[in-house]
Amino acid sequence: AQKITQTQPGMFVQEKEAVTLDCTYDTSDQSYGLFWYKQPSSGEMIFLIYQGSYDEQNATEGRYSLNFQKARKSANLVISASQLGDSAMYFCAMREGRDQAGTALIFGKGTTLSVSS
Amino acid sequence: ETGVTQTPRHLVMGMTNKKSLKCEQHLGHNAMYWYKQSAKKPLELMFVYNFKEQTENNSVPSRFSPECPNSSHLFLHLHTLQPEDSALYLCASSHPGGLDTEAFFGQGTRLTVV
Repeated sequence: AQKITQTQPGMFVQEKEAVTLDCTYDTSDQSYGLFWYKQPSSGEMIFLIYQGSYDEQNATEGRYSLNFQKARKSANLVISASQLGDSAMYFCAMREGRDQAGTALIFGKGTTLSVSS
Repeated sequence: ETGVTQTPRHLVMGMTNKKSLKCEQHLGHNAMYWYKQSAKKPLELMFVYNFKEQTENNSVPSRFSPECPNSSHLFLHLHTLQPEDSALYLCASSHPGGLDTEAFFGQGTRLTVV
């Protein structure tokens, strides 16, 4: 079973509009961390935002916010006021708490976001 | 620029060749990772190193051989690859421990096996 599910292969949005990228996860751990990364066409993965399983408030970083619904096991990324430079692949990832010694991130398949003017 | 450098950026190799991918970081991290990114698939974790010791091998075929001589360098040695091994290979590093520890990625090596 997939640990991270991103059901939207592609999303389209106009400049200055907000967009939500969906992510659901599966874990039996009580402690875990959720991440979003952006991958432009250059290939590099750029860290955007982090949400811990015990964080009571939704994480925010500038135009990025994470809509964390623990009971539903969802961690959707909201990008406000989209810009042309936001066009990229977006990946949701999770780190589980079972082994804290350099546990690797597990990624979803990604969502391609296209921003038009 | 994340502080993780991968070379080469692009590589074309025949199925009988032997080549190596290199990853270097000077961020003071002690955990390093190899991921494979194929089209329309999630990033696949290949190997994890903590303090130069391999702690995870995700059932990777033996034609991929990792090496971590020190905490700053990670190699992926390739030999007798198959065309389906063509992909983007990403290296990452992080501080070991801590759920909130983000991984820093290199720009990847785009590998084509012919």
